[in-house]
Amino acid sequence: GIQVEQSPPDLILQEGANSTLRCNFSDSVNNLQWFHQNPWGQLINLFYIPSGTKQNGRLSATTVATERYSLLYISSSQTTDSGVYFCATRGGSNYKLTFGKGTLLTVNP
Amino acid sequence: DTEVTQTPKHLVMGMTNKKSLKCEQHMGHRAMYWYKQKAKKPPELMFVYSYEKLSINESVPSRFSPECPNSSLLNLHLHALQPEDSALYLCASSHKNRATGANVLTFGAGSRLTVL
Repeated sequence: GIQVEQSPPDLILQEGANSTLRCNFSDSVNNLQWFHQNPWGQLINLFYIPSGTKQNGRLSATTVATERYSLLYISSSQTTDSGVYFCATRGGSNYKLTFGKGTLLTVNP
Repeated sequence: DTEVTQTPKHLVMGMTNKKSLKCEQHMGHRAMYWYKQKAKKPPELMFVYSYEKLSINESVPSRFSPECPNSSLLNLHLHALQPEDSALYLCASSHKNRATGANVLTFGAGSRLTVL
């Protein structure tokens, strides 16, 4: 099956800093999503981005499918951005989403 | 507020108990999922229902029994669980957009299960 690797595993920032999270995947994909899991466990869908670039406020994401990676940019980070960021993708199966191990982001005031 | 509602939010049960987790969505999604998540790990797929039929069972032990009574509801029946089954259980739903091909998962807030 598809392998999904995320880096870095942990990231500590001061409020206001910018960051880039990376997701590498081992095979062609037809789906890629970025999620944020808050400290209470809620998984929030940030982006559906199998290719190209999208922006939503201070967050943006870029997927280069031919090179098998995706990047999540967080600008002017806030303490509420803290949590775990997962990328997840599908290969051939329509339903099985494979998650990376996540990046634990801590934003300090 | 999430559009996928899970109940209960917290559940404590003994190893001999029978309990159920419930999930409901009213987005018209035709695929529904159960995921299990242990602390500091990513979610792991357990079951997928597509159009109310079980389409994926990821070799889950029979002490977990899923049920999809209709297109809006998904249950997970629990019986004779072990302490190692303690985890966050997440329900999700999705629907493929025929025009764009997008198939986006939407998760509920989860049910945190503790087995004593």
